[in-house]
Amino acid sequence: GGIITQTPKFLIGQEGQKLTLKCQQNFNHDTMYWYRQDSGKGLRLIYYSITENDLQKGDLSEGYDASREKKSSFSLTVTSAQKNEMAVFLCASSIRGSGNTLYFGEGSRLIVV
Amino acid sequence: GDSVTQTEGPVTLSEGTSLTVNCSYETKQYPTLFWYVQYPGEGPQLLFKVPKANEKGSNRGFEATYNKEATSFHLQKASVQESDSAVYYCALSDHSNTNKVVFGTGTRLQVLP
Repeated sequence: GGIITQTPKFLIGQEGQKLTLKCQQNFNHDTMYWYRQDSGKGLRLIYYSITENDLQKGDLSEGYDASREKKSSFSLTVTSAQKNEMAVFLCASSIRGSGNTLYFGEGSRLIVV
Repeated sequence: GDSVTQTEGPVTLSEGTSLTVNCSYETKQYPTLFWYVQYPGEGPQLLFKVPKANEKGSNRGFEATYNKEATSFHLQKASVQESDSAVYYCALSDHSNTNKVVFGTGTRLQVLP
């Protein structure tokens, strides 16, 4: 088995600040994802990466940057935090290709003060 | 683009009663369909998936049939338990090379003892 580790579990920042979330996986999966979870809106895809050094925009990429530094890690940066962006951010990984199961981390909660 | 629509929650049931959570999807491709479950404080985890039309998936007493004609994948359980209280997500992955996975808005289920 493997595990997805997201850090930090809670990220508190000020409005306008640049904030970064990190994700590590030891499944040796090629593909990694960042989703945003808001109550009543489900999981919305921000960025995903099919393989190391690849980046693909999801439906919610505006206001975010991502970086796939190596196969096992995928980070997400909120470029200018806003109070209406407070949500849970979920990282996931999967084997490359369609129809494969996503394995999720426990999530990181963003709090903007 | 691809989309998934599911029963709006919350759904509150008494233990022992039956559950149906509706899920409809739109895609130009031929997808694999998933149900994920998320317990409090955890990331979503796969309940089951079905890659082929007219086939049924099942796990832990839950089941759903991939209905290509109706573009539906409704989740059912004959007799729910308090431990089934969670958020349920319907999702699809199309068979292009994008590796993109689209989720519905989630349905919160509360089962009362």
